[in-house]
Amino acid sequence: QKEVEQDPGPLSVPEGAIVSLNCTYSNSAFQYFMWYRQYSRKGPELLMYTYSSGNKEDGRFTAQVDKSSKYISLFIRDSQPSDSATYLCAMKENQGGKLIFGQGTELSVKP
Amino acid sequence: DSGVTQTPKHLITATGQRVTLRCSPRSGDLSVYWYQQSLDQGLQFLIQYYNGEERAKGNILERFSAQQFPDLHSELNLSSLELGDSALYFCASSISGTESSYEQYFGPGTRLTVT
Repeated sequence: QKEVEQDPGPLSVPEGAIVSLNCTYSNSAFQYFMWYRQYSRKGPELLMYTYSSGNKEDGRFTAQVDKSSKYISLFIRDSQPSDSATYLCAMKENQGGKLIFGQGTELSVKP
Repeated sequence: DSGVTQTPKHLITATGQRVTLRCSPRSGDLSVYWYQQSLDQGLQFLIQYYNGEERAKGNILERFSAQQFPDLHSELNLSSLELGDSALYFCASSISGTESSYEQYFGPGTRLTVT
């Protein structure tokens, strides 16, 4: 079983929809929870991060971490065609820089 | 543009051969990471260097090796290549190698095709 599980999709939604992306994990030592966005033929870029549990909001994006359930989510409000990309959850322990990534969910937002 | 550069962009080689991938981190970043991305395995951590020293190892095969030079650029050497080594290889960098390393800046990747 993988340390981080993420549904690869693909997920297709109409413009303006609310998108929910999720990951589950098994390692209770994870303390940092990130969402990276990867456009086709590009390297991943950090979208948001959360330390430990809780919610974080940045514009149309909201990240949630529930450590008791080992479950993290990313919500995208008022989705735009420019949001079409692969979204990767990533996690790491307190020390060190090793990121463990989910499989990535491919999102397509249709105009 | 993340500020991380990788060369070459594409590499096509035969089984059994050896290749070297090169990475220059963002200015000021001391840590360099190597990742392999394939369709079946996703994005997997290979190895991390911090200021010239190996800091962490992931699922890196013995046929693969890496180093970070005094000018902080890094090279990933892949030898005795197999068809299954075909993948996208990403380099990433961060300022530190510890807590704040959640923010890693990824290069554009090197696409390796082994025929």
